Amino acid sequence: KNEVEQSPQNLTAQEGEFITINCSYSVGISALHWLQQHPGGGIVSLFMLSSGKKKHGRLIATINIQEKHSSLHITASHPRDSAVYICAVSIPPTSGSRLTFGEGTQLTVNP
Amino acid sequence: GAVVSQHPSWVICKSGTSVKIECRSLDFQATTMFWYRQFPKQSLMLMATSNEGSKATYEQGVEKDKFLINHASLTLSTLTVTSAHPEDSSFYICSARKTGANYGYTFGSGTRLTVV
Repeated sequence: KNEVEQSPQNLTAQEGEFITINCSYSVGISALHWLQQHPGGGIVSLFMLSSGKKKHGRLIATINIQEKHSSLHITASHPRDSAVYICAVSIPPTSGSRLTFGEGTQLTVNP
Repeated sequence: GAVVSQHPSWVICKSGTSVKIECRSLDFQATTMFWYRQFPKQSLMLMATSNEGSKATYEQGVEKDKFLINHASLTLSTLTVTSAHPEDSSFYICSARKTGANYGYTFGSGTRLTVV
């Protein structure tokens, strides 16, 4: 069993829909990261969370430390949101240490 | 901001030759950089942790003599794939993290290596 599990693996939505991607982890972490990988391969860091909730534009990320679970929400989805979304965790002793990755969620938003 | 520049973005080389990939932190100092490999439809696999001024730490199963890492300055790490073979064809990407509570990891744009 992977230390970081994401669901769903694939997600297809219509433009405008509200999207949720889930991430569960089984180890103690110092931080959780949501990453976006575009078809060309480039990776963008969307959020780094250690507690609570963060919002950036149409993206919202939440984390529940007790339940070892995080969600990434996209409101008013758009075709340009189509990408692979990856959940990754930093494992102590320091948050600057290596990341452990989930398998990723392929999101396709159709016009 | 925190920007990491990676070059080249793609390279085609002949079997048996060596290829060097550069990863530069443009606006911050990175004492540690990470090198990943990614096969199609798979997640990132950590190859090694590059430490400025000292030897890299390689993950189990990664040949250190094949994948040479040099981190000679606080802003530059290089990965050299030596004596490349077709099975080394893959997507290689580096990352670093700017110190500070609000900074996540910054990734290079990646290098797609094809060995023919």
